[in-house]
Amino acid sequence: EAGVTQFPSHSVIEKGQTVTLRCDPISGHDNLYWYRRVMGKEIKFLLHFVKESKQDESGMPNNRFLAERTGGTYSTLKVQPAELEDSGVYFCASSQSTVPPLHFGNGTRLTVT
Amino acid sequence: AQKVTQAQTEISVVEKEDVTLDCVYETRDTTYYLFWYKQPPSGELVFLIRRNSFDEQNEISGRYSWNFQKSTSSFNFTITASQVVDSAVYFCALSEPPYSGTYKYIFGTGTRLKVLA
Repeated sequence: EAGVTQFPSHSVIEKGQTVTLRCDPISGHDNLYWYRRVMGKEIKFLLHFVKESKQDESGMPNNRFLAERTGGTYSTLKVQPAELEDSGVYFCASSQSTVPPLHFGNGTRLTVT
Repeated sequence: AQKVTQAQTEISVVEKEDVTLDCVYETRDTTYYLFWYKQPPSGELVFLIRRNSFDEQNEISGRYSWNFQKSTSSFNFTITASQVVDSAVYFCALSEPPYSGTYKYIFGTGTRLKVLA
């Protein structure tokens, strides 16, 4: 069984540019989550999809971040425009039911210069 | 407020030594889950264990063991006879009941374990 897959593994962009991160959950997992870790801080919750619907997006930092999950399969997280403080590692996770544990991907390391 | 503290930022041990990673948590709820994840150099967070708040039995899985003590709000992780492959960052996490329909993880800052040959 393939695990959670994230693309790209690393992205370097300039402040003001746009970046789109992609996550492919484990097949059959209706629940998809985004978390991120900014430098030296804890890994923090961003949002939760159940199929294509946003169940909880209370962790999204501001309206420069847009997450979508069209069709209830893969998800994208767009940052537009990117700011320096957006640098960090963005993790995607999925689960079959809403009850954990979550299965995480390798993360996307985003560097904004 | 919910919080997870992993006071050990980095630990170095020599192969075959035993090592304990500490995790202390704070929560207002009586029902919750606790987790440990391993992050090897590849970056993926690998699930190790889930424990619910009503189950204080200690667990052993091979060289890994976990000690859950509600009285001290701790959920410590011990690796016996450590190996170089155990080198990784280990995260402890807490999840409270899904008030919003979502089990959100509260992570600690992680402990980097280096096992030297």
